Amino acid sequence: DQQVKQNSPSLSVQEGRISILNCDYTNSMFDYFLWYKKYPAEGPTFLISISSIKDKNEDGRFTVFLNKSAKHLSLHIVPSQPGDSAVYFCAARGAGGGADGLTFGKGTHLIIQP
Amino acid sequence: DTGVSQDPRHKITKRGQNVTFRCDPISEHNRLYWYRQTLGQGPEFLTYFQNEAQLEKSRLLSDRFSAERPKGSFSTLEIQRTEQGDSAMYLCASKVSGGLQQSGANVLTFGAGSRLTVL
Repeated sequence: DQQVKQNSPSLSVQEGRISILNCDYTNSMFDYFLWYKKYPAEGPTFLISISSIKDKNEDGRFTVFLNKSAKHLSLHIVPSQPGDSAVYFCAARGAGGGADGLTFGKGTHLIIQP
Repeated sequence: DTGVSQDPRHKITKRGQNVTFRCDPISEHNRLYWYRQTLGQGPEFLTYFQNEAQLEKSRLLSDRFSAERPKGSFSTLEIQRTEQGDSAMYLCASKVSGGLQQSGANVLTFGAGSRLTVL
């Protein structure tokens, strides 16, 4: 059973517009949520995180929103740029996967159209 | 070099052969993790070390897999008698033990991965 779900395998957004990537989770024991970005032939790189006690965290063009009651989080990218084209993984900490280890979703491939 | 290094980047082998991957973590990181990523999936946890001690193994880690971190620095992941189902990207990550900070520091830092193809 998948504890972290990203139901959109891909998303296409026009350059300059907002990109919204969604993630759902099932385990209420998760205490931190993270987004990683992955380019082809590279490892995932950390983008932004949010504690389970917060509902929003912002870093430049990236904002993560957490809705604990719905067990849902989203990543907003505004404005979207061509370099944002990558696979984005939602990850959660605190329910197995090693101490401080992470449970990942399957990823969403974001494509920014010029 | 301040990143996590993995070697080799790509390994093609025949079914039944043994393969070994190496990971050099960031030098001050005492925790080291191995993940596996197959096509269309996110990274899946395999095992982790704190210094030289292997503290947890996933049920994904069959008896054919063994990981070591003999001196608490680099780590190796060996797969014996490889099967086609072992074909995947093997990712190594490291961090300093302790909680996440709101700033995002102290997160897992991943290497570029070692891609295994079993023919």
